[in-house]
Amino acid sequence: GAVVSQHPSWVICKSGTSVKIECRSLDFQATTMFWYRQFPKQSLMLMATSNEGSKATYEQGVEKDKFLINHASLTLSTLTVTSAHPEDSSFYICSAELSLSGFYNEQFFGPGTRLTVL
Amino acid sequence: AQSVTQLGSHVSVSEGALVLLRCNYSSSVPPYLFWYVQYPNQGLQLLLKYTSAATLVKGINGFEAEFKKSETSFHLTKPSAHMSDAAEYFCAVRSNAGNNRKLIWGLGTSLAVNP
Repeated sequence: GAVVSQHPSWVICKSGTSVKIECRSLDFQATTMFWYRQFPKQSLMLMATSNEGSKATYEQGVEKDKFLINHASLTLSTLTVTSAHPEDSSFYICSAELSLSGFYNEQFFGPGTRLTVL
Repeated sequence: AQSVTQLGSHVSVSEGALVLLRCNYSSSVPPYLFWYVQYPNQGLQLLLKYTSAATLVKGINGFEAEFKKSETSFHLTKPSAHMSDAAEYFCAVRSNAGNNRKLIWGLGTSLAVNP
């Protein structure tokens, strides 16, 4: 159980185009999902917290107009990189939060999406 | 505020040798602590977690970690390394109180296993 999928697993796009990445919790409902960005050989950087039915909470320094997050259902959050540029090339990972034991929430991670902007 | 320090960005061991990956944390509140593994071009898989129950935590793939409050450490160990253990390992901390559920990540340790 507690499987999270991401689609696509990799995408190559031209500079100036927009790319949408989907994050789905396959066997549980997640009111909260997280979006991370990871540069090569580096740790994960939290970009934003996605809450179902409300606006995402972005971390300091992350452009909300650049990285659009929509969490329209309890099993799906999307990240859209708008007007992508080469510096947006990165590995994007999502996680979905599952409430356990009524007080402890655990994050389950998707397999990641490799974005390359030419 | 919380933080995580992973000592050693690269660790190399021989197959069959002990694996020790170090993690120290800083937290003003009782923490939850995690170890994740990441294989190349993949997402993260939870190895084990400490959530204020037993201080010695056993995880998957033969890994275990011990929470030592006095040393603010949560080092990851495995008695005998396998080639398949070669991967990136991340230690993370979060608060066990309130509504702050963000994970604070260490910079990661790359484990190489030599034949």
